[in-house]
Amino acid sequence: SQQGEEDPQALSIQEGENATMNCSYKTSINNLQWYRQNSGRGLVHLILIRSNEREKHSGRLRVTLDTSKKSSSLLITASQAADTASYFCATDAGSGGGADGLTFGKGTHLIIQP
Amino acid sequence: NAGVMQNPRHLVRRRGQEARLRCSPMKGHSHVYWYRQLPEEGLKFMVYLQKENIIDESGMPKERFSAEFPKEGPSILRIQQVVRGDSAAYFCASSPAGVTNEKLFFGSGTQLSVL
Repeated sequence: SQQGEEDPQALSIQEGENATMNCSYKTSINNLQWYRQNSGRGLVHLILIRSNEREKHSGRLRVTLDTSKKSSSLLITASQAADTASYFCATDAGSGGGADGLTFGKGTHLIIQP
Repeated sequence: NAGVMQNPRHLVRRRGQEARLRCSPMKGHSHVYWYRQLPEEGLKFMVYLQKENIIDESGMPKERFSAEFPKEGPSILRIQQVVRGDSAAYFCASSPAGVTNEKLFFGSGTQLSVL
């Protein structure tokens, strides 16, 4: 089964507004990562947050991690049309946690209306 | 510094044919991962390789699928006797070490269409 599950599945907002996406996972993790995928392209890494971190910032991105609730959120502030994409969370459960690769959720499809 | 290179970008095969997908990791990266993505779905892990070794193939179907990462040359994902259900986008990713506290660098994928 999927380790990470994003919520909502789709989100449409006006340019300039903030977008928040959530991710829940099931097992303990070493780190959680967020990736962006533009239509028909590969994934691009956005940010990595370690299990002992609670919040991380990168430009207009802010990621939080709550290991007690096994959840993470990605906030994109002051959204731009170029932010239109699918956003995936991915978890690394480390050795013994399952597959040795990252486990991805189904993604949130974000549409920024001009 | 070239990124992860995958070819071909698009591959069309008829049922029963073989598909060979190639992936050249970023320079200096010795860890390669293959993922499969169906429309409107996330990426499903298939296999994790280091040079000349398969580390984890728990996501690979037991039959018809195989992967290698030779000492020289690209990593190859091979699908024998393709069926329509194999139609998907196949992505390769690489990293300098394992994914613990490391991000992955993805290629642009190979879109496999089985007629």
